Amino acid sequence: QVQLQESGPGLVKPSETLSLTCTVSGGSISVYYWSWVRQPPGKGLEWIGYIDYSGNTNYNRSLESRVTISVDTSKNQFSLRLTSVTAADTAVYYCARDSTAKLGSFDIWGQGTLVTVSS
Amino acid sequence: DIQMTQSPSSLSASVGDRVTITCRASQSISTFLNWYQQKPGKAPKLLIYAASSLQSGVPSRFSGSGSETDFTLTISSLQPEDFATYYCQQGYSTPRTFGQGTKVDIK
Repeated sequence: QVQLQESGPGLVKPSETLSLTCTVSGGSISVYYWSWVRQPPGKGLEWIGYIDYSGNTNYNRSLESRVTISVDTSKNQFSLRLTSVTAADTAVYYCARDSTAKLGSFDIWGQGTLVTVSS
Repeated sequence: DIQMTQSPSSLSASVGDRVTITCRASQSISTFLNWYQQKPGKAPKLLIYAASSLQSGVPSRFSGSGSETDFTLTISSLQPEDFATYYCQQGYSTPRTFGQGTKVDIK
C-alpha cells in the first residue's frame, strides 16, 4: 500500500529556510495531488498547499509569499520550502495525499516531523 | 476562505455512549466534507469522506451525515480506542480548511 515519509532537519534558525521532503512508496506520484499540512504544538491543522505530478501548485494565501512546493517524479518525492521562518512556524509538518476522488480528503498521511524554529 | 466551526470543542463520555459532533461551514460545500480522528503524537486518520462515506477499514460505529453547511459525525457506541480529537475538513475549495477540533475524553 502507499506510504509517505517526511524527512528533513528538525531544527531551523529564525529567518532561515525550512526544507522538507516527502517520499512516496508503494505507488506512483503521478496521480493525485500531494499536500503539506502543519500542526503547531497543541493546536489545530493548517493546510499549506499541494502539487500535482506535472508541477501545478496551489498554496494557502496566508503562506503563499514564503512557500514553494516542488515535485521530483523520478524519485517519487515532493518537497516543501518555507522561507524566512519565525517561531510561529514551529509545528509538526505532515505530507498527505489529497484525493479528488474522495472529494478533497487526505486519505494517506506521513507520520509527521517536528520542526522547531529556534536560534 | 471557507470557515469550518465544530461543536462542542470538547466532550466527556463513557464507553458505550452515543456521541455526536457537529461541523458547520461558512458557505455551502455540498458534500465535500471529511472527518478525521487524531490520537496524541499520531497523524490524523481519515474516517469519513464525502460527508457520509466510510473509509476502508474504519469501524461501522462511525457514521457521517449532512450536506450544504451542516454536518454530523456520530459514534454509535463509544469504544476505549475512540478517545481522541476529531476534525472536520472541507474539500470543496482551496485553501483546504479544518475545524478547530473536538476532543473526546473519558467521563
